[in-house]
Amino acid sequence: DAGVTQSPTHLIKTRGQQVTLRCSPKSGHDTVSWYQQALGQGPQFIFQYYEEEERQRGNFPDRFSGHQFPNYSSELNVNALLLGDSALYLCASSEGDSPTIYFGEGSWLTVV
Amino acid sequence: GENVEQHPSTLSVQEGDSAVIKCTYSDSASNYFPWYKQELGKRPQLIIDIRSNVGEKKDQRIAVTLNKTAKHFSLHITETQPEDSAVYFCAASFSWAGNMLTFGGGTRLMVKP
Repeated sequence: DAGVTQSPTHLIKTRGQQVTLRCSPKSGHDTVSWYQQALGQGPQFIFQYYEEEERQRGNFPDRFSGHQFPNYSSELNVNALLLGDSALYLCASSEGDSPTIYFGEGSWLTVV
Repeated sequence: GENVEQHPSTLSVQEGDSAVIKCTYSDSASNYFPWYKQELGKRPQLIIDIRSNVGEKKDQRIAVTLNKTAKHFSLHITETQPEDSAVYFCAASFSWAGNMLTFGGGTRLMVKP
């Protein structure tokens, strides 16, 4: 039974560019959340998708957008990258409204 | 919104000793409190969680206590081992918000052999 999988694991982008990160939830899970974890800090909630719609959103600008597909997988898009967007981006999945979430290994984004 | 404070930021103990990490939260509507362990370069892993209708929960060497009146909860690790060394995060959420967790700043636990 595969857990939450994310790709790519590492990537380097230039300021102003755009990036797309991908996530496949744990088998049986239909809800996907994205978190940003800066170095030395706790994860911060970006948004959550359920039934292909954004259900909750944290305090992140519109440059951060997402999508959920019919197979429950999800993408996180960040436009106009800033140096401060450098972080570990974690995808987490859960079943319905269950508060218990499971994280993937994350995508390390470095903006130069 | 919810705000979670975590203390201490670093904790060093001798192998076999106990370790206690404390968190406070601000929103009295929060009713779910998980703890995650994150090893260097790895994903956060859920180690234990507690809901607001329970005051204490144990799982082998790990226990969590919750005081809803005071709005604080704690992680207790007994008989610490070097493999317990990691960063521990507490978090809080309220069920109607699904699984939007608000995390504390983390505690770096170092267990000396």
